[in-house]
Amino acid sequence: GENVEQHPSTLSVQEGDSAVIKCTYSDSASNYFPWYKQELGKRPQLIIDIRSNVGEKKDQRIAVTLNKTAKHFSLHITETQPEDSAVYFCAASRSGYSTLTFGKGTMLLVSP
Amino acid sequence: DAGVTQSPTHLIKTRGQQVTLRCSPKSGHDTVSWYQQALGQGPQFIFQYYEEEERQRGNFPDRFSGHQFPNYSSELNVNALLLGDSALYLCASSLDRSPSTIYFGEGSWLTVV
Repeated sequence: GENVEQHPSTLSVQEGDSAVIKCTYSDSASNYFPWYKQELGKRPQLIIDIRSNVGEKKDQRIAVTLNKTAKHFSLHITETQPEDSAVYFCAASRSGYSTLTFGKGTMLLVSP
Repeated sequence: DAGVTQSPTHLIKTRGQQVTLRCSPKSGHDTVSWYQQALGQGPQFIFQYYEEEERQRGNFPDRFSGHQFPNYSSELNVNALLLGDSALYLCASSLDRSPSTIYFGEGSWLTVV
């Protein structure tokens, strides 16, 4: 089955800095890669996603890049703010399915 | 438009007991999946229901079972509870085979003592 590895497990940055979280996946049949933000005690919320036919997608301060050949995808957050502090999860889904395999998460702490 | 509704929000059970968790999907969604999220870990897929049948199953023992009703709502049952079953149980609803429509509920926190 699919295996998703996520790094780093924790990331501390100063407000205004950029943050990058990286994931790798194993199943070449995966074609949908979402990123979720989960605040303490809350549900995972989709913040951005990318499909395998696209190399990069941007939404304001957040961007995701995908390298299908290397099976890597990354989340980039620019101009970080304290409210960006949360746990971020990457995930992958196979074509034709609506189930997700998650990474173990990255705790992002943005200090004022 | 209500999102995914789960109940109960918190519960405490004793080892060996049985528990039932409930989920009402987002309006218009026909597929329900359940995930287990242990503390400090990512959610792990338990199983998925579509048209009242279990369509996919993750690596979980038979102690974990479920049901989907004609109105698309779902239940997760766990028998013979173990301490290791303590976790946040997330219900996610979606349209059939459309991962971009996945929407998570707030979850049910289960503590086994």
